[in-house]
Amino acid sequence: DVVMTQSPLSLPVTLGQPASISCRSNQSLLYSDGNTYLNWFQQRPGQSPRRLIYQVSNRDSGVPDRFSGSGSGSDFTLKISRVEAEDVGVYYCMQGAYWPRTFGQGTKVEIK
Amino acid sequence: EVQLLESGGGLVQPGGSLRLSCVASGFTFSNYAMTWVRQAPGKGLQWVSAITDSGGSTKYADSVKGRFTISRDNSKNTLYLQMNSLGAEDTAVYYCAKAGLWGQGTLVTVSS
Repeated sequence: DVVMTQSPLSLPVTLGQPASISCRSNQSLLYSDGNTYLNWFQQRPGQSPRRLIYQVSNRDSGVPDRFSGSGSGSDFTLKISRVEAEDVGVYYCMQGAYWPRTFGQGTKVEIK
Repeated sequence: EVQLLESGGGLVQPGGSLRLSCVASGFTFSNYAMTWVRQAPGKGLQWVSAITDSGGSTKYADSVKGRFTISRDNSKNTLYLQMNSLGAEDTAVYYCAKAGLWGQGTLVTVSS
C-alpha cells in the first residue's frame, strides 16, 4: 500500500498568520493519464470530513481562496494564507492514484 | 439539495452482520463512483471500499476483503455496505462519499 506521511501532526497557529502542512507519499502519485491524484480534506470538530483540494491544487466549490495546494510527484503542501478561527480541525491528505486509497495520519490545527 | 444520507448503523455482537445504506439525492447517482470510508473513535480516516458508477467493479481494503461487500441500486439512488463477521476493530463511524461530497456518517459499534 502507498504510505502517506503528514507533518507536522500538530500545528498551533496564530489567527491571521499562515500555516503549512506537508504530505509525502512513498510512491509518485502521477497517474498514467497525466494527472496527479492527491486530495486534501478538512474535518472540523464534530463534523464529517470535507474535501478542500483535489488533484493537488484544485479547490472545491465554496472553499475559501486562502486555502491552496501545491506539489508534484510525491511531495505536496497545503497552505492556509491567513488562519481563521473556523479553520480549526484535522487535515488529511489522501492519494487516489493506487488501490487501496490511503490517507495520511492527519494534522491537527489549533489556535495558539 | 445535494446530499448523502447514511443509515443502518448500530450495536452488533462480535461475529454478527450489519448492512449500511446511503441514499443519494440532488445529483445523478448513476453517473458517479462511490466510496465508503470509516473512522474509529478518536482515530484518523480509513478508506474501506469503492464501486464504479455501474457497479461493475469493486475494490476493498485488505482489512475488510472477504467480509464486506459493496453494492448499489441505481434505480433507488442507494449505496450499500454489507458487513459480515464483524469484530471490535470494525467499530467506527462509516461515511459514504462521492468525490467531494460526504454524508454525515453512521456509527457501527461491535461489542458484546
